[in-house]
Amino acid sequence: GENVEQHPSTLSVQEGDSAVIKCTYSDSASNYFPWYKQELGKRPQLIIDIRSNVGEKKDQRIAVTLNKTAKHFSLHITETQPEDSAVYFCAASDGGFQKLVFGTGTRLLVSP
Amino acid sequence: SAVISQKPSRDICQRGTSLTIQCQVDSQVTMMFWYRQQPGQSLTLIATANQGSEATYESGFVIDKFPISRPNLTFSTLTVSNMSPEDSSIYLCSVAPPAYNEQFFGPGTRLTVL
Repeated sequence: GENVEQHPSTLSVQEGDSAVIKCTYSDSASNYFPWYKQELGKRPQLIIDIRSNVGEKKDQRIAVTLNKTAKHFSLHITETQPEDSAVYFCAASDGGFQKLVFGTGTRLLVSP
Repeated sequence: SAVISQKPSRDICQRGTSLTIQCQVDSQVTMMFWYRQQPGQSLTLIATANQGSEATYESGFVIDKFPISRPNLTFSTLTVSNMSPEDSSIYLCSVAPPAYNEQFFGPGTRLTVL
């Protein structure tokens, strides 16, 4: 089955810096790669996703890149703000946005 | 977005007992998913619940331990049976309604087993 690895496990940055979180997946059939943000005590919420027919996608300060050949995808957050502090999870699916396999999570701390 | 509610929001239970968690969605969906999130950990899919058929369980999860019901297209229950402290986790249901291209999560049920 699919296996998703995520690095780093923790990431501390200063406000205004960029943050990059990387994930690798094992199943070449995976075609959908979402990123979820989970604040303390809250449910995971989708912040951006990408499908296998696209190499990059941007939404304001957030971008995701996908390298299908290397089976890895990354989340890029620019101009970080303290409210970006949360745990971020990558995921992969070979069934569209249905059955998701999650990475281990990255705790991002943005210091003012 | 899809509106998902779960009951209870949290519970403290004694080992050896069972707890049933309810998940209600505001729209009809074919599949509902149940995840477990152990303290400080990631989300692990327990099973996929389809209306009118048996749930499909992931490796490491069995029906005797986590029986699931799916009586209609907006509701599902997950039972955690014969609980032990290792079952202490947050249990989340999720759906991917056809009108939206994403999976939404419920607020979760925080379970503590003593």
